[in-house]
Amino acid sequence: KQEVTQIPAALSVPEGENLVLNCSFTDSAIYNLQWFRQDPGKGLTSLLLIQSSQREQTSGRLNASLDKSSGRSTLYIAASQPGDSATYLCAMRDANAGKSTFGDGTTLTVKP
Amino acid sequence: EPEVTQTPSHQVTQMGQEVILRCVPISNHLYFYWYRQILGQKVEFLVSFYNNEISEKSEIFDDQFSVERPDGSNFTLKIRSTKLEDSAMYFCASSGVELSGNTIYFGEGSWLTVV
Repeated sequence: KQEVTQIPAALSVPEGENLVLNCSFTDSAIYNLQWFRQDPGKGLTSLLLIQSSQREQTSGRLNASLDKSSGRSTLYIAASQPGDSATYLCAMRDANAGKSTFGDGTTLTVKP
Repeated sequence: EPEVTQTPSHQVTQMGQEVILRCVPISNHLYFYWYRQILGQKVEFLVSFYNNEISEKSEIFDDQFSVERPDGSNFTLKIRSTKLEDSAMYFCASSGVELSGNTIYFGEGSWLTVV
């Protein structure tokens, strides 16, 4: 059974700082990994998707990496802004079943 | 950008009542999902649906739950005889042609409160 852990649970940084969010998983038989953003009381907004065969994906100030051998993914946010404040979730898509298993999320606060 | 839409955004129901949550997935998508998130907890998989049948369901998705695609656009989650512990945000999601290759898109969620 896939277990997904995100560290840290919460993070507070000053505006402009670069930061890294961590996600670890126990079963490397994944098809892809997806990072989401969730604002309070809102839905899940897809940020980046990394296929199992890929090592990283970039979109604007965001860069996500995947290392299946170590069971880790990181989300790098460059030059953080107050608008980046949200909860960030990683989710592993099963190779066979197609369902996604989510981590608990990291709640990010970027202070002006 | 195409989006998954869900209704209602918030519903309050009495324990024991039936609830139907509605979703309109992205139009050319073929795979549909329901997830739920109890307040302060993880997003949990409930069920996936493809080709007019359930392709997988979790332990949470017991006999009180059912899903249906009654027409070409809607995808519904029915909860019979709701319990207090069913209070949660329910997310509908859809993905494209490739089962596992494509991005999953989530709706804004339906917040269900059982009293």
